[in-house]
Amino acid sequence: AQSVTQLGSHVSVSEGALVLLRCNYSSSVPPYLFWYVQYPNQGLQLLLKYTTGATLVKGINGFEAEFKKSETSFHLTKPSAHMSDAAEYFCAVTGFQKLVFGTGTRLLVSP
Amino acid sequence: NAGVMQNPRHLVRRRGQEARLRCSPMKGHSHVYWYRQLPEEGLKFMVYLQKENIIDESGMPKERFSAEFPKEGPSILRIQQVVRGDSAAYFCASSPSAGYQNTEAFFGQGTRLTVV
Repeated sequence: AQSVTQLGSHVSVSEGALVLLRCNYSSSVPPYLFWYVQYPNQGLQLLLKYTTGATLVKGINGFEAEFKKSETSFHLTKPSAHMSDAAEYFCAVTGFQKLVFGTGTRLLVSP
Repeated sequence: NAGVMQNPRHLVRRRGQEARLRCSPMKGHSHVYWYRQLPEEGLKFMVYLQKENIIDESGMPKERFSAEFPKEGPSILRIQQVVRGDSAAYFCASSPSAGYQNTEAFFGQGTRLTVV
């Protein structure tokens, strides 16, 4: 079975600071991994995904994530936070024909 | 190309009533997924459907919940005799084919169900 653990339900950063959102996964097969962003009262938007190949994946809005098999991790980073990055972020792994989501991390950005 | 359309966006039902949530997938998409999001929780998979077929309903409660994706028209998630614990945001996603390697699942904006 597949599962995802997101460490930290809330992360606070100052504008311009590094963003690091943590995600660890468990999968019995080679995983496909995803990060989604959800703005208030909105649906989910795909930020980036890892399937195969290069382990450093670049996504939209300056985000990137690195797949580390040895650490079973897929942490999301952005060098410099912007106020518009404030949202909820979900890490997900593919299960059999479905996505298995973590519980989410709310990113708060202060001026 | 319109995105995944869910309606209504907000739905209020009294306990014991029926709730019908609709999802129109993106044009050309024949695979639909329903997820439920409870407050302070992630999205929980409910059901995966292709046109006229339920492929995986392992996340659906055994009673009161049903889903369909007819040959024509939107996918429907139906909740009979709603209870307060059914209050949640229900999201639909669609994709053009199965699997996630080469396709992306696009999400709708959700239906927020409130049971009073």
